Amino acid sequence: GAGVSQSPRYKVAKRGQDVALRCDPISGHVSLFWYQQALGQGPEFLTYFQNEAQLDKSGLPSDRFFAERPEGSVSTLKIQRTQQEDSAVYLCASSLVIRVGRTEETQYFGPGTRLLVL
Amino acid sequence: AQRVTQPEKLLSVFKGAPVELKCNYSYSGSPELFWYVQYSRQRLQLLLRHISRESIKGFTADLNKGETSFHLKKPFAQEEDSAMYYCALMTEYGNKLVFGAGTILRVKS
Repeated sequence: GAGVSQSPRYKVAKRGQDVALRCDPISGHVSLFWYQQALGQGPEFLTYFQNEAQLDKSGLPSDRFFAERPEGSVSTLKIQRTQQEDSAVYLCASSLVIRVGRTEETQYFGPGTRLLVL
Repeated sequence: AQRVTQPEKLLSVFKGAPVELKCNYSYSGSPELFWYVQYSRQRLQLLLRHISRESIKGFTADLNKGETSFHLKKPFAQEEDSAMYYCALMTEYGNKLVFGAGTILRVKS
């Protein structure tokens, strides 16, 4: 079946502009994650949804970052008043189950959105 | 806070040589450890996880709690193993993955 998809794949924004990044998880996947990957670094956790509930937003770097998943499927990551330090690849991942103990759960990643803020 | 360290940014080996990609972690609880791989122009994908105790594409990794390490090994490297490899940790309490900075593996012919 189709994997996780993200759009746009590339986004160039002027400093101060607002951007919205979309993630379509695998159908039926309960959990959805956003990660930020700066150049030369590994992905860093931003936020996590279980269905429509945002259960962990501890990784969001500032109040300019906002994520939502209103119907428990598609998610949008919005960045307001973009800054140059926001330039990164934004990865979305989804997984099937709610993690309970040591379940055999795998996070499936999308291709990412590469954001460049000028 | 949890931390994952991959000390090598680049590892270059010849085809047929053994490979060991190092991963050390900092966490006092009972973590779950993973190796993710990203081939050229492809998305990040799970290679293996310590809890499964599997060998995937000839790769194995053993969790050493005493040394807090989860090194990835393969006895004979192949050219198609060339990729970026990330070690990642998940705590027993949460769902998020904590990644290392990654190691580029280049297998030369």
